[in-house]
Amino acid sequence: QQQVKQSPQSLIVQKGGISIINCAYENTAFDYFPWYQQFPGKGPALLIAIRPDVSEKKEGRFTISFNKSAKQFSLHIMDSQPGDSATYFCAASPSGTYKYIFGTGTRLKVLA
Amino acid sequence: DVKVTQSSRYLVKRTGEKVFLECVQDMDHENMFWYRQDPGLGLRLIYFSYDVKMKEKGDIPEGYSVSREKKERFSLILESASTNQTSMYLCASSLWTPNQPQHFGDGTRLSIL
Repeated sequence: QQQVKQSPQSLIVQKGGISIINCAYENTAFDYFPWYQQFPGKGPALLIAIRPDVSEKKEGRFTISFNKSAKQFSLHIMDSQPGDSATYFCAASPSGTYKYIFGTGTRLKVLA
Repeated sequence: DVKVTQSSRYLVKRTGEKVFLECVQDMDHENMFWYRQDPGLGLRLIYFSYDVKMKEKGDIPEGYSVSREKKERFSLILESASTNQTSMYLCASSLWTPNQPQHFGDGTRLSIL
């Protein structure tokens, strides 16, 4: 079965620090890699996304790094803030499909 | 702004009941999805629909069915609810072309007693 492995399961970072969440995929050709942010009581919301022809994408304090040969992609949150405390999900979409395969999620807590 | 609305935030049902979860989107999206979210398991796809009356099974369809009679509405049906279906259920929608963002509702937390 297609899988996306996400780590760590939980992460505690000091305010102003860098939060790093990693995801890896196996075997299947994926061509779209979105990251979602979910606050308690809310549905996931798209944070940032990347396609495999790009090695890095930056939006404000959020950066996705993509390593196609290693089949890995990661989310970096620079200057982490307490308001960034949420659960983050990576996902991958198999080529030519509408579907996503989600990672298991990372619960981030940023200490004030 | 994009809006996906799930009819109930919390729902409590009994084992064996037939349960309906409703989802409505106002973006004229062709695709709609039902996921369940469980701690440590992430989001798992139950069913999705790419057009009215069209549906495809996701990764965990057992015990569930769906209905899409109108483009904006997608219903998830638990034919005979069981305690292992206690979960958070999330609905999403997207445009029909591949690699489009999925937009999520705020979820229905369903408890089966």
